[in-house]
Amino acid sequence: DTAVSQTPKYLVTQMGNDKSIKCEQNLGHDTMYWYKQDSKKFLKIMFSYNNKELIINETVPNRFSPKSPDKAHLNLHINSLELGDSAVYFCASSQTGTGGIDTQYFGPGTRLTVL
Amino acid sequence: AQSVTQLDSQVPVFEEAPVELRCNYSSSVSVYLFWYVQYPNQGLQLLLKYLSGSTLVKGINGFEAEFNKSQTSFHLRKPSVHISDTAEYFCAVSSTGFQKLVFGTGTRLLVSP
Repeated sequence: DTAVSQTPKYLVTQMGNDKSIKCEQNLGHDTMYWYKQDSKKFLKIMFSYNNKELIINETVPNRFSPKSPDKAHLNLHINSLELGDSAVYFCASSQTGTGGIDTQYFGPGTRLTVL
Repeated sequence: AQSVTQLDSQVPVFEEAPVELRCNYSSSVSVYLFWYVQYPNQGLQLLLKYLSGSTLVKGINGFEAEFNKSQTSFHLRKPSVHISDTAEYFCAVSSTGFQKLVFGTGTRLLVSP
């Protein structure tokens, strides 16, 4: 029943490791996003895909690589994890409307802790 | 570039009292404005949005917000809060042609009995 789901919910790992976070939406939306929420609760967009094509790529280290195998999935792979990558990562999705913007629906978040 | 300012990092209020959470934005083009709520250890849920039309927007859980173009504000209000409204509230802005949301730093609403 969940609209936007993420796995895992919690991820604890060592510096230098590589990890992935998965996101799936069953809303039939054509656009998906990754946001990062830091320890001060500040939310910032990282990437956005529309119909499997990258449309937003903010200033993010190239250790972060998003992959969209289909419209319903957007995964985030992180190489060589660093302490500063510790954050909550949110996936979101939306359907492009005629006005060019539509409501974004968020997943429950993945809390990543790098030790 | 767009930006959002939420001046109050925390707003304490007693149950059944009214509350206003302030949001000011900066943008050189027409904007769309949103308020999201984040309950502890949960994702973000849309409270309300302004896209066009009436400047007074009603949302879920009894919240409303008023778009004021001259003051570049989109303050969130509720006439009587409940303990269950305790959460983090985020104001966000976007523009035509841009799919990304730019968020404010959030306001923590603390409702006590």
